[in-house]
Amino acid sequence: DAKTTQPNSMESNEEEPVHLPCNHSTISGTDYIHWYRQLPSQGPEYVIHGLTSNVNNRMASLAIAEDRKSSTLILHRATLRDAAVYYCILSFSYGGATNKLIFGTGTLLAVQP
Amino acid sequence: GAVVSQHPSWVICKSGTSVKIECRSLDFQATTMFWYRQFPKQSLMLMATSNEGSKATYEQGVEKDKFLINHASLTLSTLTVTSAHPEDSSFYICSAPPAGDTQYFGPGTRLTVL
Repeated sequence: DAKTTQPNSMESNEEEPVHLPCNHSTISGTDYIHWYRQLPSQGPEYVIHGLTSNVNNRMASLAIAEDRKSSTLILHRATLRDAAVYYCILSFSYGGATNKLIFGTGTLLAVQP
Repeated sequence: GAVVSQHPSWVICKSGTSVKIECRSLDFQATTMFWYRQFPKQSLMLMATSNEGSKATYEQGVEKDKFLINHASLTLSTLTVTSAHPEDSSFYICSAPPAGDTQYFGPGTRLTVL
């Protein structure tokens, strides 16, 4: 499985944008880039995913480098409820089957009021 | 979005007993579900893939006779921790994909073995 590298922790101030980086230099052409987050004592929550183009949804934006070796999750205005561990995961999907997700250590985001 | 539930949310048991954890997809069907384990301050570790109508696929190092998985229907998978010991105490989480590549996770089950 292709590996991702994320900073162990980051800090942000409330209502400011947050850019969470992820390096995946060994990504293959069919790997999707997924982001999940986990609040304390809860199951992970899907945030966003993409293949090549930048993606936006109501939670966040995903910016993918042209060579796909890195990506950035963007929270446009951090709130205290965004404090969580954010996981960047590569997943290969073929023929409609769902591939397993292998979690790395993630980035612990702290949001200061 | 899709909802996955787990039951119970927490359980305390004596060493040597077996514990069953249920994972249900509430508003979609799932032929595949996944089981994870998470120790304090660690990341999620994939234990096994639960397949409806066939045997589960276990990750390397996970004892299939200790962690029994049954995918009874398209909306239910169960994980039974047999002869539980204190080192099995952990946070157990399941996930299921409504469609394609996105997975939705249950809220987790906290198991404490005394």
